[in-house]
Amino acid sequence: NAGVTQTPKFRILKIGQSMTLQCTQDMNHNYMYWYRQDPGMGLKLIYYSVGAGITDKGEVPNGYNVSRSTTEDFPLRLELAAPSQTSVYFCASSQTRGARDTQYFGPGTRLTVL
Amino acid sequence: AQTVTQSQPEMSVQEAETVTLSCTYDTSESDYYLFWYKQPPSRQMILVIRQEAYKQQNATENRFSVNFQKAAKSFSLKISDSQLGDAAMYFCAYRSERGSQGNLIFGKGTKLSVKP
Repeated sequence: NAGVTQTPKFRILKIGQSMTLQCTQDMNHNYMYWYRQDPGMGLKLIYYSVGAGITDKGEVPNGYNVSRSTTEDFPLRLELAAPSQTSVYFCASSQTRGARDTQYFGPGTRLTVL
Repeated sequence: AQTVTQSQPEMSVQEAETVTLSCTYDTSESDYYLFWYKQPPSRQMILVIRQEAYKQQNATENRFSVNFQKAAKSFSLKISDSQLGDAAMYFCAYRSERGSQGNLIFGKGTKLSVKP
């Protein structure tokens, strides 16, 4: 059971380039999340999804887009990369939004924008 | 809005000793969970322990236990018999029972070093 997988593990982008961070979960979870972790900080919510076809903004959505065409996949799109988007990105999933429910994290993607 | 504060950016403990990491939070809600996550250098977020707000009994998981003071909005993590493998960043997190998003709200973290 792979859990939550993310690709790539590392990426360096030039300012203005675009890329998609991939996230896949094999637990049939409804809820999926994208967080970013800046140096010396905790994780902040970028976008989340409550099921296929339904997404919504979190605390720091500017500069990002998401889609959820299947239950398993929740890609995060960066358009016109900026140095402020240098961060570690985590994808997570849970079956429900209930606080009791465990949220499972992927291994993260370290992105550097130069 | 809920906030989580970890006032200790770094802590150090001698191997086999006990260390306590502090966390305070702010919320107007009554139904929520609190969590401690461990993040080793591999970056993987690992759930260490969780506490339901409605339970008065403090949660324990082997060498890890919490001191949950609901009225004071305090949630500290105690690590007993510290091991070299405990060295990591530790994040305190809050999750609302009634929030529409279901996301975790994190503190800034405490970096724990374990000295042999």
